[in-house]
Amino acid sequence: GQNIDQPTEMTATEGAIVQINCTYQTSGFNGLFWYQQHAGEAPTFLSYNVLDGLEEKGRFSSFLSRSKGYSYLLLKELQMKDSASYLCAIRTSTSGTYKYIFGTGTRLKVLA
Amino acid sequence: AAGVIQSPRHLIKEKRETATLKCYPIPRHDTVYWYQQGPGQDPQFLISFYEKMQSDKGSIPDRFSAQQFSDYHSELNMSSLELGDSALYFCASSLEGERGYEQYFGPGTRLTVT
Repeated sequence: GQNIDQPTEMTATEGAIVQINCTYQTSGFNGLFWYQQHAGEAPTFLSYNVLDGLEEKGRFSSFLSRSKGYSYLLLKELQMKDSASYLCAIRTSTSGTYKYIFGTGTRLKVLA
Repeated sequence: AAGVIQSPRHLIKEKRETATLKCYPIPRHDTVYWYQQGPGQDPQFLISFYEKMQSDKGSIPDRFSAQQFSDYHSELNMSSLELGDSALYFCASSLEGERGYEQYFGPGTRLTVT
C-alpha cells in the first residue's frame, strides 16, 4: 500500500532551524513535494525532489533519499509567519497517470 | 499572475441537497485536481482531469461526479449531501510537462452541510 508518515506537531523558536521529517512507502514513486498550509487556506508549493539529494531554495531546503523512502524539509532563520502546517506529498505514476497522496501534515509552532 | 479561481468560496446546504463547485484553472494549465480536506485532516484526492478527460480517480463517493469543460474549467457536482461532506474542497491545476508538475491550489470552497 501507500503510506506517508510525518510528526504531528513541532515547536521551535524564532531564528532557529527546524527539520521536519517525512517517511513514505509507495510503488511507482514519481516525486516528493512539500507544501505549506496556513489554517483555512490553500496549500502553497515549497519544494520538489525527484532525485536523491538536497534542493535549496532560500530559507527552505528539502532532502530526498529514495532508497530509504525518506525526506526532510529544513527551515532556517525561523520567522513567526512560518507557523503553519507542512504537508509532505508524493506523486505516484501508474500506467501513465499521476496521483498525489498527502501526508497528514506537521503543525509547526514558532515561538518568540 | 493569474491564479486558480474557485467559486463559490462558501456554501451552506442542507442534507440531501445538491451542490456544484466550480474551478477555473490557471490559463494554459491542462490538468485539474479536486481534493477534499476535512478539519485537521490532510487533503484527500478525489479526481483529476487531463485535457478534459478523467485521468485518475481517488476516494470520490458515487454521489459525486465531476467533469472538465472545453474551456478547461471544471465542476464538482455533489448530490444527496451528508453532514460528513462538510469540508474544504480545493481545486488545483498544473501543466503536464513542466518540471515538477507543480500543482497550484485555489483558495478552496468551504462547504457546510446542515
